[in-house]
Amino acid sequence: KQEVTQIPAALSVPEGENLVLNCSFTDSAIYNLQWFRQDPGKGLTSLLLIQSSQREQTSGRLNASLDKSSGRSTLYIAASQPGDSATYLCAVRPFIQGAQKLVFGQGTRLTINP
Amino acid sequence: NAGVTQTPKFRILKIGQSMTLQCTQDMNHNYMYWYRQDPGMGLKLIYYSVGAGITDKGEVPNGYNVSRSTTEDFPLRLELAAPSQTSVYFCASSYLGGGAQETQYFGPGTRLLVL
Repeated sequence: KQEVTQIPAALSVPEGENLVLNCSFTDSAIYNLQWFRQDPGKGLTSLLLIQSSQREQTSGRLNASLDKSSGRSTLYIAASQPGDSATYLCAVRPFIQGAQKLVFGQGTRLTINP
Repeated sequence: NAGVTQTPKFRILKIGQSMTLQCTQDMNHNYMYWYRQDPGMGLKLIYYSVGAGITDKGEVPNGYNVSRSTTEDFPLRLELAAPSQTSVYFCASSYLGGGAQETQYFGPGTRLLVL
């Protein structure tokens, strides 16, 4: 059974710092991996999707990497801003034909201090 | 486009009551999903649908039922509510097309409290 773990559960850093969020998964047979952002009391917003054949994806100040063989992904946030404060979740899509089921980690709650 | 909409935003139920959580999407997505999120936890899949008339169980389906009569709507039914069903429920949709098109779009959630 696929399991996804995110460490740490919470992270607080001063504004302007570069930071890395970690995600690990137990089964390397995945179709893709996604990073989501969740603001308090809101739904999830997709940030980046990495296909299993890709090593990284970039969007603005965000860069996500994928090392399928070691079961790890990282989300790199450059020059952090207070508006980046949110919970970040990663999710993998196991390689099951005919389904787009996602398995989520429990998230990292990020606080950027002005 | 409104995206994915959910109603109600918040509801309190007594033990044993029933209710339906509504979900509608206007993006013509074929896939739709229901998740629950307990405090401090990730999301767990309850049910999903690959198209009108086709539904299947996810990881935690017990105590819930779904139907999908149209592409747009995917209601979630709770029968005989129990305190263990206190959670935040999210509906999502996506398109089967491969690549970035598989991104799931989420509604704002329904907060349910069972007392």
